[in-house]
Amino acid sequence: IAGITQAPTSQILAAGRRMTLRCTQDMRHNAMYWYRQDLGLGLRLIHYSNTAGTTGKGEVPDGYSVSRANTDDFPLTLASAVPSQTSVYFCASSGTSGGPDTQYFGPGTRLTVL
Amino acid sequence: GQNIDQPTEMTATEGAIVQINCTYQTSGFNGLFWYQQHAGEAPTFLSYNVLDGLEEKGRFSSFLSRSKGYSYLLLKELQMKDSASYLCAVVQGEYKLSFGAGTTVTVRA
Repeated sequence: IAGITQAPTSQILAAGRRMTLRCTQDMRHNAMYWYRQDLGLGLRLIHYSNTAGTTGKGEVPDGYSVSRANTDDFPLTLASAVPSQTSVYFCASSGTSGGPDTQYFGPGTRLTVL
Repeated sequence: GQNIDQPTEMTATEGAIVQINCTYQTSGFNGLFWYQQHAGEAPTFLSYNVLDGLEEKGRFSSFLSRSKGYSYLLLKELQMKDSASYLCAVVQGEYKLSFGAGTTVTVRA
C-alpha cells in the first residue's frame, strides 16, 4: 500500500512558468488537501476537496488552483510561478466519518522559484 | 479565525520528560491533533483530543482543556529518535486543520 504519493520530489522553476504538482492516494479517502510549509509559519492550507467534484479555498489560495476529477488524484497548479511560492508543498488526505478525521500526509514536494 | 501558539524550541536530555504546550483561540473548535515531523519528512499522526482530559498512548500523552483553550503533549522516557518538530493543529468545522508553527525538540545524550 503506497498511501499518498507526490511528484515531483523537488523542482526548480523559473518565475512565470506554469507548474503542476501531482498527488495521488490509494486509500479511497474522500477528502484531500494541499498545504505549504514555510519556516516559522507552519503548515498553511491552500485548497481542499471534501469529495470528488468539489473543491474549496483554504487560508492562502491566491496563485494556486486545484481540480478533483476523481477520488484518487488532486493536482495543484501554479499558473504563473512567483518567488514567494518557493516552499515545501504537502498533500494530505482523510477519510470521512461524519466528523474530524486524521489527515495522512504525502512525502512533500520541495519547490524553488527563481 | 484562529491563533495557535506553541514554543519554538525545547531541549531535553535522553530519558527525561518534556511537555509541549499549545494554546489556541478559535471559533468552531472541533478537536485538536498533535503531529510529529522529522526533518525533511512528512508530518505523522500522534494523537487526537476532542474531550477534556488526558489521552495516553505509550510514551506519549496529550491533554486538552477546551475551556482554557489549552493542550499539551507529554513525551516521556525521551529517546534520541524523538528529536523532531511537534505540530499542534486545531480542527475547525469538519475538515479543516489550522496548524501552529511547531515546536522543535532536541534530545541530547
